[in-house]
Amino acid sequence: EAGVAQSPRYKIIEKRQSVAFWCNPISGHATLYWYQQILGQGPKLLIQFQNNGVVDDSQLPKDRFSAERLKGVDSTLKIQPAKLEDSAVYLCASSLRLAGVQNTGELFFGEGSRLTVL
Amino acid sequence: KNQVEQSPQSLIILEGKNCTLQCNYTVSPFSNLRWYKQDTGRGPVSLTIMTFSENTKSNGRYTATLDADTKQSSLHITASQLSDSASYICVVSEGAGGTSYGKLTFGQGTILTVHP
Repeated sequence: EAGVAQSPRYKIIEKRQSVAFWCNPISGHATLYWYQQILGQGPKLLIQFQNNGVVDDSQLPKDRFSAERLKGVDSTLKIQPAKLEDSAVYLCASSLRLAGVQNTGELFFGEGSRLTVL
Repeated sequence: KNQVEQSPQSLIILEGKNCTLQCNYTVSPFSNLRWYKQDTGRGPVSLTIMTFSENTKSNGRYTATLDADTKQSSLHITASQLSDSASYICVVSEGAGGTSYGKLTFGQGTILTVHP
């Protein structure tokens, strides 16, 4: 079974530039998450999708971050304009969780996209 | 506010030694607790999962315990190997029984370094 695919693995940009990350979850996984992980810290949820609908985006800095999951499959996360403090690893994860179906909600993570803002 | 606290923040041990990592949580309603291992430059991978009724779960040299009354969990690593060097993250899921609502609270992780 293919895992969660993310690209690019690495990106270096200057502040005020824009960047986009792409994620393709495991086939059939209804729930998709984007996390921001700053060096030495645990992942912080940015946005959670259930199919193509947003479940939780309360911690997404909406003035500069946006995300979409068209057709309920792959997703893109965009940052525009980037700030120095956005330097982090952006992790995408998917889960099989479906409404009304009992499951433990295990997350399967991609390798992450490491962003450096200069 | 739901919180997950892990200790120690970092740990250095010699190869072959045992170690124990701690996780305290205040998440309600509780569904399950997972320990994830995150190698440097990689995404986290699930090691163990425990629900409310489980006290101990093993996965090879990794043994996790859960005390739902005190809301504490531990991850014990036996006969450590160099490949155990990683960050270990405790993740608690809200839910009912064995079903997760999909809302997760992450700890900050414990960085384990195993020296030869």
